[in-house]
Amino acid sequence: GQNIDQPTEMTATEGAIVQINCTYQTSGFNGLFWYQQHAGEAPTFLSYNVLDGLEEKGRFSSFLSRSKGYSYLLLKELQMKDSASYLCAVTGAGSYQLTFGKGTKLSVIP
Amino acid sequence: DGGITQSPKYLFRKEGQNVTLSCEQNLNHDAMYWYRQDPGQGLRLIYYSQIVNDFQKGDIAEGYSVSREKKESFPLTVTSAQKNPTAFYLCASSAPTLDRSGGYTFGSGTRLTVV
Repeated sequence: GQNIDQPTEMTATEGAIVQINCTYQTSGFNGLFWYQQHAGEAPTFLSYNVLDGLEEKGRFSSFLSRSKGYSYLLLKELQMKDSASYLCAVTGAGSYQLTFGKGTKLSVIP
Repeated sequence: DGGITQSPKYLFRKEGQNVTLSCEQNLNHDAMYWYRQDPGQGLRLIYYSQIVNDFQKGDIAEGYSVSREKKESFPLTVTSAQKNPTAFYLCASSAPTLDRSGGYTFGSGTRLTVV
């Protein structure tokens, strides 16, 4: 089976940097995804990691350590529109399904 | 433009009634999925299909049924056996390999409420 843990809620200030952590336990591993979901809307793809290290995409970066079963999503220069839930999801070896964490609700305050 | 369409956006169901949620995609994706989302629960897998005329139960399939007669369509029926159907339902599709091209493409969701 697969188990994914993320903090339930976080609050950060506009213009700051925030790091959202995700730990996972899985019987096989074939990649980790981060999605952003605004309230009442569909999740949208942010990043994908399959190898150890940092992937950078504009203001967003994602890090993976497979040996530690750990990932984080780093958001820089926070904007009010970044207030959303951030979902960590993993896919197991030989699997086409994603298993999602419960999501981290980020509130950006002025 | 290619995409995935869910309808209706809002749906109200009376006690003891079956309702069907529509999901259509024109992305030529083989795999399609149904998830349920409750507050504080994240996304939980109901059913998935990797190919036409075949589908598999997910973690919370009880009280739901699906069909996959066409590649483009994967409707979900919420039956009267589902005792707590009020939730946000998300349909998704994907290519055979999940990778940096984006993993799943999600529909905009259907919010089902029991009245």
